Amino acid sequence: DQQVKQNSPSLSVQEGRISILNCDYTNSMFDYFLWYKKYPAEGPTFLISISSIKDKNEDGRFTVFLNKSAKHLSLHIVPSQPGDSAVYFCAASETGGGNKLTFGTGTQLKVEL
Amino acid sequence: DTAVSQTPKYLVTQMGNDKSIKCEQNLGHDTMYWYKQDSKKFLKIMFSYNNKELIINETVPNRFSPKSPDKAHLNLHINSLELGDSAVYFCASSQVGPGTSGYEQYFGPGTRLTVT
Repeated sequence: DQQVKQNSPSLSVQEGRISILNCDYTNSMFDYFLWYKKYPAEGPTFLISISSIKDKNEDGRFTVFLNKSAKHLSLHIVPSQPGDSAVYFCAASETGGGNKLTFGTGTQLKVEL
Repeated sequence: DTAVSQTPKYLVTQMGNDKSIKCEQNLGHDTMYWYKQDSKKFLKIMFSYNNKELIINETVPNRFSPKSPDKAHLNLHINSLELGDSAVYFCASSQVGPGTSGYEQYFGPGTRLTVT
C-alpha cells in the first residue's frame, strides 16, 4: 500500500522552462512534506520542504505547493537548468512518527539544452 | 569532509553469508536511519536510532540487526543473506533543534549489495 505516489516516472523539459513535478498522498496524518534530489550513484539530497500549515514554500528557483484538500503537492523549478537533471523524490512524515519518511517512487527529470 | 559516509560502497557476496555495512556521520546529529532501495527504486525505511536507542523498526526480517555503538555510528549486520536482500542500502541522519524540524535527513552515498 503506497501512501506517497509519483505517477510520472519521467519528465523532459527544455532548459529555461518550468519543470513541474507532482506527488499525491493518501495518509491524512501526514503533516510535513519534503522533496529530495538524487543523482546516480549518490544518496538523496534534501531540496525543499513544507509544513501542512502552509500552502507554499519558496527557495530560489524551487517552489513547493501543497493542496491539502486534494492531498497533492508539486515542485516547480524555474528556470530549469541541465544540472537539475536527476531523480526527484517526494517524501512525507507525520508528527509522532519518529521522523520516519515515506517516499514516493521518484520522477526522472531530464532538462535538455 | 563527507557528512554521512558508508562502507563499503559495493558488496558482492553469496547466499547464506553474513555481512556488515558501516555508517558514520560527522554532523553531530542525534538520529540515524537505514533505508533500503529495491530494484523498483522504492526507498523504504528499515530502522531509526536516536542517541543509540532504537525508535523505528519496520517489518524487517530479524536477519537484519542494526547496532549503534555511539550516536555518530549506525552499522547494519545481515545474517544468512538471501537473493532478495540485493538492493542499495542508504544510511541517513537528522537532528531536531532550533531552525529545523528534524525531518530533513542527510543521506550517505549508499551501499550496493548484490547477493548471488
